Amino acid sequence: SQQGEEDPQALSIQEGENATMNCSYKTSINNLQWYRQNSGRGLVHLILIRSNEREKHSGRLRVTLDTSKKSSSLLITASRAADTASYFCATDTGRRALTFGSGTRLQVQP
Amino acid sequence: DAGVTQSPTHLIKTRGQQVTLRCSPKSGHDTVSWYQQALGQGPQFIFQYYEEEERQRGNFPDRFSGHQFPNYSSELNVNALLLGDSALYLCASSRRTYPNSNQPQHFGDGTRLSIL
Repeated sequence: SQQGEEDPQALSIQEGENATMNCSYKTSINNLQWYRQNSGRGLVHLILIRSNEREKHSGRLRVTLDTSKKSSSLLITASRAADTASYFCATDTGRRALTFGSGTRLQVQP
Repeated sequence: DAGVTQSPTHLIKTRGQQVTLRCSPKSGHDTVSWYQQALGQGPQFIFQYYEEEERQRGNFPDRFSGHQFPNYSSELNVNALLLGDSALYLCASSRRTYPNSNQPQHFGDGTRLSIL
């Protein structure tokens, strides 16, 4: 079963715009992670946020976590065509077995 | 520094056959997890190996089995293949550290398994 659910399922924006993806989950977590997947490839880890953290930045990425609402968001600022990919949130309850959502497919138009 | 490597990259089998997929973890990693990703879906956890033993298992039937070797590499075996087993099989590795479990997993590019 998939604990995390991303919203929207698909997103199309122009280069330079910001992209926001949301993730909701159901149970208590140890941390939440975001991954990127280019078509037909493996997953690339983007950022990990612990359950006691509320916001984290990495380059053009900003992740927020609201444990009271069991939700997270990923913001990509000043998007580039190379950001075109599927983005997944994954939760870790401390057992190191990740539970993934169904992903958001991001298309950045040049 | 080699990352996670998986072989083969693509595989075609027929229903009822058996398949073995292989994974070498990232250097320095001792824990290997396997995931199944159906087309258009997120990965689903199959099982995890550490110290050559299965430590956790997801909601997958006994047809799915695995092994971890002393060099930390791992195999995923699937018996009596069904059409529904067609998917991308991903291997992920990490380093088991206590008490801090907050670390990302490193994924290989996967094996694309097609069942005819």
